[in-house]
Amino acid sequence: DGGITQSPKYLFRKEGQNVTLSCEQNLNHDAMYWYRQDPGQGLRLIYYSQIVNDFQKGDIAEGYSVSREKKESFPLTVTSAQKNPTAFYLCASSGPGLIYNEQFFGPGTRLTVL
Amino acid sequence: AQTVTQSQPEMSVQEAETVTLSCTYDTSESDYYLFWYKQPPSRQMILVIRQEAYKQQNATENRFSVNFQKAAKSFSLKISDSQLGDAAMYFCAYRRPDSGTYKYIFGTGTRLKVLA
Repeated sequence: DGGITQSPKYLFRKEGQNVTLSCEQNLNHDAMYWYRQDPGQGLRLIYYSQIVNDFQKGDIAEGYSVSREKKESFPLTVTSAQKNPTAFYLCASSGPGLIYNEQFFGPGTRLTVL
Repeated sequence: AQTVTQSQPEMSVQEAETVTLSCTYDTSESDYYLFWYKQPPSRQMILVIRQEAYKQQNATENRFSVNFQKAAKSFSLKISDSQLGDAAMYFCAYRRPDSGTYKYIFGTGTRLKVLA
C-alpha cells in the first residue's frame, strides 16, 4: 500500500539535544513538507521541498534543518536552537498527476522536551 | 499574502443533524484550490473535500458538501446526517495552482463535537 510513514510516533528529548524525525513516502511524489501543530494554531509550515536536493524555508524554519537526498525521504532535525520544540509534527507530500495537488499526510510524531 | 480564517473554534451537533463549518479566505488570485481536511483523535489528517475556484458548482462527497461563494471568499463545509465518527478537528486550506509554489495555507481549525 502506498503512503507516508513517520517515525517514531513519540519522541522525548532532553534540552540541548538535536533529534531527527523520519518521514518516508512511497507515493512517488515530488513535493514533501514538514508542519508543526500546536493547540489553537493550526498547521504551520517549517520546510518544504519540491525536488531532490532542493528545499525552502517555510514560515517557522528557525531551529530546524532538513535534507532531501532521496525522493522518498525528507528527514527533519530539531536542533537545540529551537526554543520551544514540544509539539506535534506532521509530514506531507503531494505529486504530479494530481489535478488538485492535494497533500497526503503521515500519522505524525509527538515530540516532548523533558 | 493569503490568509485563511476559521472563526468557530468549536461546534456541536446532534447525531443525524446537519452542521455547517465556516471558512473565509483572503487572496488576490483568481484561480486557486480550496480543501477541507479532517483530523480525528488519531491525528491522522484526511482529505474530506476539495474545490477548484474556477468551478461554480459546489463540490459534494457523500454527506459532505461545500458552499463556495467566490465573491465573498467563503468556503463553508456542510455535514449532513452527522455521525459519531465525524467528531474531529476540521481544517480549511488554500493553495495556489501555479507550479512555482507548493505552499498551502491552513486555518486554525474547528473542533466538531457530535452528541449522541
